[in-house]
Amino acid sequence: GNSVTQMEGPVTLSEEAFLTINCTYTATGYPSLFWYVQYPGEGLQLLLKATKADDKGSNKGFEATYRKETTSFHLEKGSVQVSDSAVYFCALSPYSGSARQLTFGSGTQLTVLP
Amino acid sequence: KAGVTQTPRYLIKTRGQQVTLSCSPISGHRSVSWYQQTPGQGLQFLFEYFSETQRNKGNFPGRFSGRQFSNSRSEMNVSTLELGDSALYLCASSPGQGVPDTQYFGPGTRLTVL
Repeated sequence: GNSVTQMEGPVTLSEEAFLTINCTYTATGYPSLFWYVQYPGEGLQLLLKATKADDKGSNKGFEATYRKETTSFHLEKGSVQVSDSAVYFCALSPYSGSARQLTFGSGTQLTVLP
Repeated sequence: KAGVTQTPRYLIKTRGQQVTLSCSPISGHRSVSWYQQTPGQGLQFLFEYFSETQRNKGNFPGRFSGRQFSNSRSEMNVSTLELGDSALYLCASSPGQGVPDTQYFGPGTRLTVL
């Protein structure tokens, strides 16, 4: 079956530090890949997505590239802010171009200190 | 457009009872998916409804059921509640067809089973 393996947390960084959260996946066919963010007491917000190999998703300074050869979708940001503190989830959908029937990673808690 | 709304936001039940949660999707969206979030199991897909029909189902026992109405609003029901059903239940809506098909999540219903 499909699975997503995500870097264990928690991760604590100082403001303006570089962020990488690793994500690898197992799936057949041509899945779509996503990063979601969850702030305390809230639901999930879509951060970025990529629907085919070599696509780069980007939003709010965050980036991730869909690497089929390494089955990876690592999240990066060049300079984190205190407001980026949240839990980040990597996810995949088995449907190309869709976000249906998502399989999530375990989540990575990020804390950014001023 | 109004976002995905879920009611109630918080619920306390006792073992053996049943519970019904409600989700109103974004206007025009025909697909509603439900997810369970627990500290131990993480985020898991429950089921998806599209045009009043269950389109996909996750690996949950038959105590978990759902339905969708003609206005796309959806309800999920859990019968014979167990302590392990305590979780945040998230609903997500999407257009349900076409590409891309982005899911938007509601704030969730926090269910506590005593």
